[in-house]
Amino acid sequence: EVQLVESGGGLVKPGSSLKLSCVASGFTFSSYGMHWIRQAPKKGLEWIALIYYDSSNKYYADSVKGRFTISRDNSKNTLYLEMNSLRSEDTAMYYCAKLGTVANYWGQGVMVTVSS
Amino acid sequence: DIQMTQSPSFLSASVGDRVTINCKASQNINKYLDWYQQKLGEAPKLLIYNTNSLHTAIPSRFSGSGSGTDFTLTISSLQPEDVATYFCFQHNSGSLTFGSGTKLEIK
Repeated sequence: EVQLVESGGGLVKPGSSLKLSCVASGFTFSSYGMHWIRQAPKKGLEWIALIYYDSSNKYYADSVKGRFTISRDNSKNTLYLEMNSLRSEDTAMYYCAKLGTVANYWGQGVMVTVSS
Repeated sequence: DIQMTQSPSFLSASVGDRVTINCKASQNINKYLDWYQQKLGEAPKLLIYNTNSLHTAIPSRFSGSGSGTDFTLTISSLQPEDVATYFCFQHNSGSLTFGSGTKLEIK
């Protein structure tokens, strides 16, 4: 059974940092690109970052470019999202996902709240 | 970055109705457009990939069409379990984007 389990969320103050993790199981993690997608409360989905299977390429949404860093450790089947200079508008549920045409998997999400 | 304009943002229809949701890309995205369904409190679920391919175990009442910049999701006969929010998603380029969503309810 495929599982993606996010962790590391919580309540933080504006300007602070947080690092999310996503542990994958049930598929060959090291063979696939992985994504972070977020959803602000009662809002739509926002794609925020992609990392290739071998970390050779990384892409970011303009809203997080320069503040967020996506990374992975294939030896640990783990995807990361390091978030710096957090703002109130970063408050959202953060999902890690393996998007694909046949195999398409999402985690249950982890909540990040940025508030003073 | 490519912008996705999705319409309508809200849709109310009766059981058995044919329903269409549209997405327009700000530039050519070829066939690289997917549709997701998100029910309340759940992670999104892939319905249609690459414009018109039905994902595994998705009912055949769902279909997709389009090319280039204009795309459509059609539900041929609306069922009560289709109440959800629907999102289009372009993956033509490295920086990817979702549409703003269409909330579908039963009249």
